[in-house]
Amino acid sequence: DGGITQSPKYLFRKEGQNVTLSCEQNLNHDAMYWYRQDPGQGLRLIYYSQIVNDFQKGDIAEGYSVSREKKESFPLTVTSAQKNPTAFYLCASRIRGDDPRAYEQYFGPGTRLTVT
Amino acid sequence: RKEVEQDPGPFNVPEGATVAFNCTYSNSASQSFFWYRQDCRKEPKLLMSVYSSGNEDGRFTAQLNRASQYISLLIRDSKLSDSATYLCVVTLFTGTASKLTFGTGTRLQVTL
Repeated sequence: DGGITQSPKYLFRKEGQNVTLSCEQNLNHDAMYWYRQDPGQGLRLIYYSQIVNDFQKGDIAEGYSVSREKKESFPLTVTSAQKNPTAFYLCASRIRGDDPRAYEQYFGPGTRLTVT
Repeated sequence: RKEVEQDPGPFNVPEGATVAFNCTYSNSASQSFFWYRQDCRKEPKLLMSVYSSGNEDGRFTAQLNRASQYISLLIRDSKLSDSATYLCVVTLFTGTASKLTFGTGTRLQVTL
């Protein structure tokens, strides 16, 4: 079955530690995205990548880093520099192209990160 | 002004009712529009794209009014399983990338 997987589902870390969240897709999608969701707020874009070996900062990139070495994978590292890392992290992907449906993004199940 | 605004609700409706959600967006250059559904503590799932001519999928109808910069979602014959948060999403194409902006969502609770 095609889809987007994120692991782990729940993650607990101590303050000051870096943590890497996994995102893998087998949909053959070109573009991948990372968002965070906080209670009462809309999803906010952290980083995105349109092709392998290229990525761009989103609206709230400070304290995060990413890599895109393979089309299928887009891991997100939450560094100790991120001031409020506790959140629900969502990975998404989409095809690229001129068809309007190319703008539809599909989400993985998310990772809930708690930092204490 | 927020880029995408939605009434947070909650909308509490009895089963079988018709309910409508509205969403307004601030950037007139926005190009693509979507409604996503998000269940509690789950990921958003695409419900439907919103086309200029309006579109319908079963009990769901989406409308776009570019002049007034708003999008609507109508749900007819509400089911208990429709209880969720509905997210309005607007896409702006910047030339090199598309940026999705999400509303904070409208919560729907369908009751017996």
